[in-house]
Amino acid sequence: DTAVSQTPKYLVTQMGNDKSIKCEQNLGHDTMYWYKQDSKKFLKIMFSYNNKELIINETVPNRFSPKSPDKAHLNLHINSLELGDSAVYFCASSPQLTGAGEKLFFGSGTQLSVL
Amino acid sequence: AQTVTQSQPEMSVQEAETVTLSCTYDTSESDYYLFWYKQPPSRQMILVIRQEAYKQQNATENRFSVNFQKAAKSFSLKISDSQLGDAAMYFCAYSSPNFGNEKLTFGTGTRLTIIP
Repeated sequence: DTAVSQTPKYLVTQMGNDKSIKCEQNLGHDTMYWYKQDSKKFLKIMFSYNNKELIINETVPNRFSPKSPDKAHLNLHINSLELGDSAVYFCASSPQLTGAGEKLFFGSGTQLSVL
Repeated sequence: AQTVTQSQPEMSVQEAETVTLSCTYDTSESDYYLFWYKQPPSRQMILVIRQEAYKQQNATENRFSVNFQKAAKSFSLKISDSQLGDAAMYFCAYSSPNFGNEKLTFGTGTRLTIIP
């Protein structure tokens, strides 16, 4: 069983469209995250959710909105897609938010290409 | 703000040899955590090794070990007996107990190639 699974793995869409990426973790973790990896492989956190509460939003445009229906799921909705949104988006989870030394469990990423 | 620097965009090593990947960081905190994550071609990030700053002993995990120099703010990863499966991007990362995982800061990565 995959610990952190996200779908789809690849997403190709036109500029201006709205799309969603789904993420599910079966580890019973309290905290989930979305990271963005740009074309130069730089990873930066976008959001973290702890017990369904948004904890941080790192200068991310409000076209991006995380939605957490329950502790095991954190979906990412993107409105009005732009060319610059093309990247690989990673979902991750950890047991707690405040455990700074904890291991993050990552999904395998969603490669988003905006044409 | 904390920064993490990996000065080697690419490295290569002969199979069975040893390679060291460099990482430096900048922080004003005395307690923190450092990590090395591996991203193979499958894209999934996997934790390789973790070091707590208050521990002087260098962390080891099988063929992977670190050289943690707190005063120099250096955290290098040594891979011994390199194997083909070690080929990947390697990311150094920093997190602070003050902020937890939401402030996990990654370096820009080093692409490691294993030469058969």
